[in-house]
Amino acid sequence: KQEVTQIPAALSVPEGENLVLNCSFTDSAIYNLQWFRQDPGKGLTSLLLIQSSQREQTSGRLNASLDKSSGRSTLYIAASQPGDSATYLCAVSMMNDMRFGAGTRLTVKP
Amino acid sequence: NAGVTQTPKFQVLKTGQSMTLQCAQDMNHEYMSWYRQDPGMGLRLIHYSVGAGITDQGEVPNGYNVSRSTTEDFPLRLLSAAPSQTSVYFCASSKQGGGYTFGSGTRLTVV
Repeated sequence: KQEVTQIPAALSVPEGENLVLNCSFTDSAIYNLQWFRQDPGKGLTSLLLIQSSQREQTSGRLNASLDKSSGRSTLYIAASQPGDSATYLCAVSMMNDMRFGAGTRLTVKP
Repeated sequence: NAGVTQTPKFQVLKTGQSMTLQCAQDMNHEYMSWYRQDPGMGLRLIHYSVGAGITDQGEVPNGYNVSRSTTEDFPLRLLSAAPSQTSVYFCASSKQGGGYTFGSGTRLTVV
């Protein structure tokens, strides 16, 4: 059974810091990996999608990497801003299922 | 382009009542699914569909039914609501092997 783990569970940083969120998964037979952002009481917003054949994806200040063989992904956020405060979810997609980590709750202090 | 639309946004039910949560997508995605999100449990798959007329169970299917008569719609039915079904429900859709698009969720309380 696929297990997805995110570390740390919570992170508080001052504005302007660069930071890394970690995601690990137990079964490397994935189609893709997706990072989402969730604001309190809101839905999931897709940030980055990495196909299993890819190593990384970038969007603005966000960069996500994927090492399928070791079962790891990282989300790098550059020059963090208070507006980045949210919960970040990592999810891996297999056939007919997507498994989620429990998320990292990020607080960026002004 | 509306994406994935869920209705209602909020609902309060009494124990034993039934209701249907609606989900519609306009992206011609083959795959649709329902998740529930609970504190400390994360998101868990309830039911999914790989195309019209085809549905299957996910990790936590008990107490829920689904049908997929069209590509666009994937309603979730609660047969006899229980307090344990108090949760936030999300519908998602995707192309085969593609990224998931989520609806904004339905917050359900069963009293």
